[in-house]
Amino acid sequence: GAVVSQHPSRVICKSGTSVKIECRSLDFQATTMFWYRQFPKQSLMLMATSNEGSKATYEQGVEKDKFLINHASLTLSTLTVTSAHPEDSSFYICSASGERGEPQHFGDGTRLSIL
Amino acid sequence: GDSVTQMEGPVTLSEEAFLTINCTYTATGYPSLFWYVQYPGEGLQLLLKATKADDKGSNKGFEATYRKETTSFHLEKGSVQVSDSAVYFCALRHSGNTPLVFGKGTRLSVIA
Repeated sequence: GAVVSQHPSRVICKSGTSVKIECRSLDFQATTMFWYRQFPKQSLMLMATSNEGSKATYEQGVEKDKFLINHASLTLSTLTVTSAHPEDSSFYICSASGERGEPQHFGDGTRLSIL
Repeated sequence: GDSVTQMEGPVTLSEEAFLTINCTYTATGYPSLFWYVQYPGEGLQLLLKATKADDKGSNKGFEATYRKETTSFHLEKGSVQVSDSAVYFCALRHSGNTPLVFGKGTRLSVIA
């Protein structure tokens, strides 16, 4: 079946560092990718929607200058957390969907810890 | 806007017990409905889905039926196992490449 690979799975870094998370669709073309954030014991909060070759659409309250999203190809989207601070520590999950609107396939998530 | 409501957890069951996790939704039109499962430290995996009224999704012994009249998509399993311990998310999505709308999740713990 379709697979989405997300990397890295875990990041621990100092405050002020920028962190890049990659999300790749391995066996299908992902025209749309979604980035979610999950706080402990809570549901997934949609951060942004990215379509290949277009600027990402951010949800209300999500700082686009803080969370840079790039979707330059049909198989890769990246989320960069710029100048990360402890409050950015969270579990970030990407998902990808192909042209036919099939069920979204999720990556395994990235646990980001900012010290 | 669209929303999904699922029963509060955590739910603790003994092995081989019957499981029901309630899920109701509010949406315009006719969304597709999904159950996702999240094991500790992992991302979400699609468990089952239904795309129209009266459809039944099933997988790994889990079932859910799309009930338009009650706007529900309750998850059931006849006999749970310890390995079913996870967080279960009910979700909906309209057609096309629109994002999923998730419920808050229900944590299930199955004890031997």
